[in-house]
Amino acid sequence: DAKTTQPTSMDCAEGRAANLPCNHSTISGNEYVYWYRQIHSQGPQYIIHGLKNNETNEMASLIITEDRKSSTLILPHATLRDTAVYYCIVIGAGNNRKLIWGLGTSLAVNP
Amino acid sequence: GAGVSQSPSNKVTEKGKDVELRCDPISGHTALYWYRQSLGQGLEFLIYFQGNSAPDKSGLPSDRFSAERTGGSVSTLTIQRTQQEDSAVYLCASSSPRQRGVHNEQFFGPGTRLTVL
Repeated sequence: DAKTTQPTSMDCAEGRAANLPCNHSTISGNEYVYWYRQIHSQGPQYIIHGLKNNETNEMASLIITEDRKSSTLILPHATLRDTAVYYCIVIGAGNNRKLIWGLGTSLAVNP
Repeated sequence: GAGVSQSPSNKVTEKGKDVELRCDPISGHTALYWYRQSLGQGLEFLIYFQGNSAPDKSGLPSDRFSAERTGGSVSTLTIQRTQQEDSAVYLCASSSPRQRGVHNEQFFGPGTRLTVL
């Protein structure tokens, strides 16, 4: 599975959009981009995933570049409860096993 | 419905003792995963169960670690002769594959914080 690179930390003002980048330049054609987040002292929580088209759900939007080498997770109106570590993971179809977790981005939403 | 539950929430043990950590997955989920997370680190895969298939044990760090899944539901992770480096949060997740061959959302429990003195 492809490796991902994310900034170590980011800040965002409450009510503003939080844009979290992820680089996955070695992604291959059948690999999906998944985002999870982990609020302090809790287990990770699934946010969204995509293959090549942009995706949106009730939590966030996922923008994947045309060459699929990078993506951005967008929280449109960040709240204090969105303070968490955000993990970008690339995983191939058929590999329903080991999610390879990096260190993620620690997002601090400030009042 | 109920999510993934884990017990105990916290476990403090002495070096050399054995510990058992329990995971109750979401009812009907056929896949179950164990991960561990050391302080300030990402998650480290340990083991994966899928239905009646042989588990993927490739992430277990040593033969002191073992896991079972009885009746396709509850799972127990056992660590024998615990060492201080085993101190971590042990997370369990389950998923319900809806599409064959495609990764599906993993639902995580709250974890068990293990401290080995």
